Amino acid sequence: EVQLVQSGAEVKKPGESLKISCKGSGYSFSNSWIGWVRQMPGKGLEWMGLVYPSDSDTRYSPSLQGQVTLSADESINTVYLQWSSLKASDTAMYYCGRIFHRSFDVWGQGTMVTVSS
Amino acid sequence: QSALTQPASVSGSPGQSITISCTGTSSDVGGYNYVSWYQQFPGKAPKLIIYEVTNRPSGVPDRFSGSKSGNTASLTISGLQAEDEADYYCTSYTRTIPYVFGSGTKVTVL
Repeated sequence: EVQLVQSGAEVKKPGESLKISCKGSGYSFSNSWIGWVRQMPGKGLEWMGLVYPSDSDTRYSPSLQGQVTLSADESINTVYLQWSSLKASDTAMYYCGRIFHRSFDVWGQGTMVTVSS
Repeated sequence: QSALTQPASVSGSPGQSITISCTGTSSDVGGYNYVSWYQQFPGKAPKLIIYEVTNRPSGVPDRFSGSKSGNTASLTISGLQAEDEADYYCTSYTRTIPYVFGSGTKVTVL
């Protein structure tokens, strides 16, 4: 079974750093782009960026460029989304998804990030 | 890149057909046959229901269908059922960024 499993919910303070993960299984992880999608409370889906696990090539949404960093560790079938200094406005549910035929065909369960003082 | 435009809400009675539109530009929807649609229930991850404009993944009921004309893509739900009440999002590959999501549509079954 193709699966993406994300790390658990996080509660952080403004200014703190954070790295969340998305681990794939059941397919050739290295050879499929993984995308990240943000959903702020009560809002719609927003594409954040893509990472290609085999060479860590990345693409970012212009609105988020510089705000987050995407990375991958091919050896453990895992991709990461990280922040160096969180803001309250980063409070959201974050999903990873596998790219297949230019669509997100398999999704992780989501990681809720809450940033509050 | 602005979000693709979807109606905020669409409603219908059980058994009826409804259509959700997704309007973009020639740089995204109109330029590529890479429009996909997602169904999302409250508190759940989205689920792919249409890819490459018209294709349904295995297991998706055939009452869900997709189409495209010019810069507007559409998702039609035929024979609407109570279990179809959810939020629906389109997305398109784009020339620049390379993905953009629609603003989302809440489907209500009356």
